[in-house]
Amino acid sequence: QKEVEQDPGPLSVPEGAIVSLNCTYSNSAFQYFMWYRQYSRKGPELLMYTYSSGNKEDGRFTAQVDKSSKYISLFIRDSQPSDSATYLCAMTSYNTDKLIFGTGTRLQVFP
Amino acid sequence: DADVTQTPRNRITKTGKRIMLECSQTKGHDRMYWYRQDPGLGLRLIYYSFDVKDINKGEISDGYSVSRQAQAKFSLSLESAIPNQTALYFCATSYRDSSTDTQYFGPGTRLTVL
Repeated sequence: QKEVEQDPGPLSVPEGAIVSLNCTYSNSAFQYFMWYRQYSRKGPELLMYTYSSGNKEDGRFTAQVDKSSKYISLFIRDSQPSDSATYLCAMTSYNTDKLIFGTGTRLQVFP
Repeated sequence: DADVTQTPRNRITKTGKRIMLECSQTKGHDRMYWYRQDPGLGLRLIYYSFDVKDINKGEISDGYSVSRQAQAKFSLSLESAIPNQTALYFCATSYRDSSTDTQYFGPGTRLTVL
């Protein structure tokens, strides 16, 4: 079993929809949770990060962490065609040197 | 100007050839990483370095070697390339602050081994 599981999609939604992207994980030591966005033929770029449980909002994006369920989510409100990309979750704990990535979910927002 | 650059951006080579991929950064970060990305497998860590004298193996280091020539430069070598090393390769950098080990990625090198 992988440490981090992420549905690969693709997820196809109309413009304006609310998108929910999710990851589950098995290591209860993870404390730092990130979402990266990767456009086609580009490197991943950090979109959001959160520490421990709770919500964090940045514009149309909300990151949510539920440590009791070992489940993290990224919500995109009023999705736009420019949001079409692959979204990767990543996580780590303070006593490790490495990020563990999910495999990524490909999102397509059509006009 | 890009903070993390990779050269070449694309490379096609033949089985058995030696290949070097280079990464440079202007972010002033002390930590650098090499990943490969394959469809369905996500990003997998090959090697990482926390400073010039510190090199560590990642999840899939067999068949690869690295060199940290300076704080800003980290190169990845394939001594004898094989077809299953065909992948997208990313360099990343980070700094260890009090909250998280946020990594910043280069644009990637698409390597094809025939």
